[in-house]
Amino acid sequence: GQQVMQIPQYQHVQEGEDFTTYCNSSTTLSNIQWYKQRPGGHPVFLIQLVKSGEVKKQKRLTFQFGEAKKNSSLHITATQTTDVGTYFCAPSGGGKLIFGQGTELSVKP
Amino acid sequence: NAGVTQTPKFQVLKTGQSMTLQCAQDMNHEYMSWYRQDPGMGLRLIHYSVGAGITDQGEVPNGYNVSRSTTEDFPLRLLSAAPSQTSVYFCASSGGGYSGNTIYFGEGSWLTVV
Repeated sequence: GQQVMQIPQYQHVQEGEDFTTYCNSSTTLSNIQWYKQRPGGHPVFLIQLVKSGEVKKQKRLTFQFGEAKKNSSLHITATQTTDVGTYFCAPSGGGKLIFGQGTELSVKP
Repeated sequence: NAGVTQTPKFQVLKTGQSMTLQCAQDMNHEYMSWYRQDPGMGLRLIHYSVGAGITDQGEVPNGYNVSRSTTEDFPLRLLSAAPSQTSVYFCASSGGGYSGNTIYFGEGSWLTVV
């Protein structure tokens, strides 16, 4: 089945620094979704990428889907304490979503 | 709309006991899933359903049963709880159709098996 590797597993940054998490697959993905989970909370949908080379922005967050549709990244510019949480990538299809292990982001004020 | 509702939120079981985690959604979604989340393991798919009467196994189905008699409900049953099933469980639903529909999660059920 589809499996994705997410790196890094943990990232500690100073507030104001940038942050990037990467998601890699050995197979071509039809699409990929990104989720954020705050400590003690449930995953919340952020965005879906479908097209090869697609780039989408949400304020300070930039999402990219690789040209070969085998990798994706999430970049946060100038992190804030509100960005704390775990970010998951997940390819989806047929209502089935398989999650990467996630990148836990901590932000020091 | 309440979205995806899970009950109970917290539960302590003794080894060998059985219980059912309830999940209901009011969005008329066809697709529903159960995940468990353990520290450092991310979310792992237990079972999923693409419509009433249809269920299938995910990544870690052993020790769990599901059924989907209605569109709204997707209960997860633990027939004989084991300490290895101590985890946080999330139910999710999706509108289905074109792949990649947004998936909505319940708030989670914290289960401890002693």
